[in-house]
Amino acid sequence: DIQMTQSPASLSASLGETVTIECLASEDIYSNLAWYQQKPGKSPQLLIYYANSLNDGVPSRFSGSGSGTQYSLKINSLQSEDVSIYFCQQNYDSPFTFGSGTKLEIK
Amino acid sequence: EVQLVESGGGLVQPGASLKLSCVASGFTFSDYWMSWVRQTPGKTMEWIGDIKYDGSYTNYAPSLKNRFTISRDNAKSTLYLQMSNVRSEDTATYYCTRRQPYFDYWGQGVMVTVSS
Repeated sequence: DIQMTQSPASLSASLGETVTIECLASEDIYSNLAWYQQKPGKSPQLLIYYANSLNDGVPSRFSGSGSGTQYSLKINSLQSEDVSIYFCQQNYDSPFTFGSGTKLEIK
Repeated sequence: EVQLVESGGGLVQPGASLKLSCVASGFTFSDYWMSWVRQTPGKTMEWIGDIKYDGSYTNYAPSLKNRFTISRDNAKSTLYLQMSNVRSEDTATYYCTRRQPYFDYWGQGVMVTVSS
């Protein structure tokens, strides 16, 4: 199985700041990496697919990058509505595994 | 508008069976692979398995393959998850998702609690 190591586990930042979440795959996943946002009490929603493609309706302050085994999600100009848990997920090889999540809070 | 609505969850005893359903709308269900994903109370996400658009092929997480079965009824736009011999570690919220291969739409989730 491909292991997805996500960091940090939690993050606290101020409004307007820029934050970055990292995801490391145990082997090359050839950019088959998605990021999801889960707001409190809600279902996950797709933010980014194929490492850097923004899903429809997702604000442009979200961006994804990376290749090979290393990927990141960047949130510019942090807003209060960004308080969520963020997950990475590889869809390169079955079983399709998730990172352990990053809980983002506002300072 | 794409909608996925799960049902069938609840409290179930260890060793019992349970069948979850997911009714899809807002898209041509028979054109898409579908998946089940679960989230534990501790927020860990686990892919359970998926099914090809015509139901001819299924793929499962190895740890669940012998107890969980995914099926679909395209005439009813409905996805199913049959769970057998459930264990306490199956306690989770179960999500129906559309697979692209990333999961672009998720249902609201249904809770399953395994306890005596």
